Amino acid sequence: EVQLVQSGAEVKKPGESLRISCQASGYRFITYWITWVRQMPGKGLEWIGRIDPSDSYTNYSPSFQGHVTISADKSISTAYLQWSSLKASDTAMYYCVRQPYNWFDPWGQGTLVTVSS
Amino acid sequence: QSALTQPPSASGSPGQSVTISCTGTSSDVGGYNYVSWYQQNPGKAPKLMIYEVSKRPSGVPDRFSGSKSGNTASLTVSGLQDEDEADYYCSSYVGSNNWVFGGGTKLTVL
Repeated sequence: EVQLVQSGAEVKKPGESLRISCQASGYRFITYWITWVRQMPGKGLEWIGRIDPSDSYTNYSPSFQGHVTISADKSISTAYLQWSSLKASDTAMYYCVRQPYNWFDPWGQGTLVTVSS
Repeated sequence: QSALTQPPSASGSPGQSVTISCTGTSSDVGGYNYVSWYQQNPGKAPKLMIYEVSKRPSGVPDRFSGSKSGNTASLTVSGLQDEDEADYYCSSYVGSNNWVFGGGTKLTVL
């Protein structure tokens, strides 16, 4: 069974750094892109960017470029989303999802990030 | 890139059909056959329902169908059931290795 398992909920202060993870299983990790999606409280889905785990090539939405960094470690089939300096507006649920081609499936369970002073 | 436009809400009675629209431009929905649809239940992760405009993944009931005309894609749910009540999101490729989602539609089964 293809599965993406994300790290647990985080509570951080503004200005702190954070890295959340997404571990894949049930398929060859380097075969498919991994995408990250944001969902702010009560809002819709937003495409953040994606990574090709085979060579760590990344694409970012212009809205998120420079604000987050996507990376991957193919030796442990894990993708990451990280921030160097969190803001209150980064409070959201973050999903990782496998991208076979031009669609997204399956999705991880989500990681809730709360940024509050 | 801007989010695709979806109606905030849609509704129908059990057994009826309901169609949810997803409007973009010739640079996204109209330019590629790469529209997909996702169902999200409260507190849960989204689930793929339709990909490449009209293809249905294994396990998705055939009551769900997708289509596209010009810059507007549509998701139709036929024979509406209580379990279909959820939020639905469309997504499209927008070129330059970027994707965008719609604002989402809350489907209510009356």
